[in-house]
Amino acid sequence: SQKIEQNSEALNIQEGKTATLTCNYTNYSPAYLQWYRQDPGRGPVFLLLIRENEKEKRKERLKVTFDTTLKQSLFHITASQPADSATYLCAPISGGYNKLIFGAGTRLAVHP
Amino acid sequence: DVKVTQSSRYLVKRTGEKVFLECVQDMDHENMFWYRQDPGLGLRLIYFSYDVKMKEKGDIPEGYSVSREKKERFSLILESASTNQTSMYLCASSFPPRTSGSSYEQYFGPGTRLTVT
Repeated sequence: SQKIEQNSEALNIQEGKTATLTCNYTNYSPAYLQWYRQDPGRGPVFLLLIRENEKEKRKERLKVTFDTTLKQSLFHITASQPADSATYLCAPISGGYNKLIFGAGTRLAVHP
Repeated sequence: DVKVTQSSRYLVKRTGEKVFLECVQDMDHENMFWYRQDPGLGLRLIYFSYDVKMKEKGDIPEGYSVSREKKERFSLILESASTNQTSMYLCASSFPPRTSGSSYEQYFGPGTRLTVT
């Protein structure tokens, strides 16, 4: 069955450093993959989408890569700030109708 | 600004009760989704709908049903609530893939934290 794996342990980094989060998927080849941010007690918020024919996508301090050979996406936040502290969810598409499979998420904590 | 609203933020129900969770979106999205989120398990898809009166089972549909009588409204029904349905329930909506100009992101509501005692 399709499986999404994200680092279950929280990632703690110092303000100003680059945070790198990993998403691995198995048993299928998604046409695109999305990343979301979720704050405690709130619904996820869309950040970026990357397609299978795109190696890299950037938006302000965010960068996403998509390696279809390794079946892996990396999510980077450069010059991280305490306000970036949240849980980040990886979500490759599965089938039609924009149906996504969500990873369990990685909690990022940026310390001043 | 896209808005997805859910009928309640917090809900407490007793075992065996019939529970209705309502979701409304104002962006004319064709697709709507119901998820539940539990610690360590992430978001799991219960049901989704790609048009009025159309629905498809997600990964964990057992014990749930849905209704979509109008495009903007998608309801989740727990026919007979059980304690293992205590969870955070999230509704989302999106355009379908291949919609011109859309990045297909899902817009989420604030969630309903349901406790079944």
